[in-house]
Amino acid sequence: QVQLVESGGGLVKPGGSLRLSCEASGFTFSDYYMSWIRQAPGKGLEWVSYISSSSTVIYDADSVKGRFTISRDNARKSLYLQMDSLRDEDTAVYYCARVKVPHYLADGMDVWGQGTTVTVSS
Amino acid sequence: EIVLTQSPGTLSLSPGERATLSCRASQSVSSTYLAWYQQKPGQAPRLLIYSASNRATGIPDRFSGSGSGTDFTLTISRLEPEDFAVYYCQQYGRSPWTFGQGTKVEIK
Repeated sequence: QVQLVESGGGLVKPGGSLRLSCEASGFTFSDYYMSWIRQAPGKGLEWVSYISSSSTVIYDADSVKGRFTISRDNARKSLYLQMDSLRDEDTAVYYCARVKVPHYLADGMDVWGQGTTVTVSS
Repeated sequence: EIVLTQSPGTLSLSPGERATLSCRASQSVSSTYLAWYQQKPGQAPRLLIYSASNRATGIPDRFSGSGSGTDFTLTISRLEPEDFAVYYCQQYGRSPWTFGQGTKVEIK
């Protein structure tokens, strides 16, 4: 079935780095825009970044610009988020999600992973 | 950046009642590029509505969306026990994408 599975979360010290992965199955991964969204403990959803199907279009939220890098490997059906210079306020559950319509940015996100938890603390 | 403001923050209703949730944008949302999501505790969000008024696959017809420009509404016609959750609106018409802060629908 259509599925996204995140991994790579954990405990990291402020200033440290972490790389999240999101593995897709059940659909043609290379056809879809993908996105990362996060949710701090007890808080709402915050969009983080998106990437086009061919990696030619990338956009990041101001809160992570210059520190986080989204990428993908279509051959491996995987989406990544490289997180550097981590701060306490980056502590959150990180979700990957698929944009609903193939090759199209402007649509809702219809498939979500279960999330992976990142904790930034000394 | 388009700021989305949802109201009320919490809605206390009984099963069978009608729920009306509001999402107001600080600027006009292009081409009704607005979505609604439902999130239950410990779960990932689920897409309910896209393009302001289109139900996503498998979403019951008691959920409906309406609106354009800066004012959008999610209506649940008759609340079922499984509908008590937090609901978020999201605009994807202009980057950066943004979410509202959420409306919690709780059992009265």
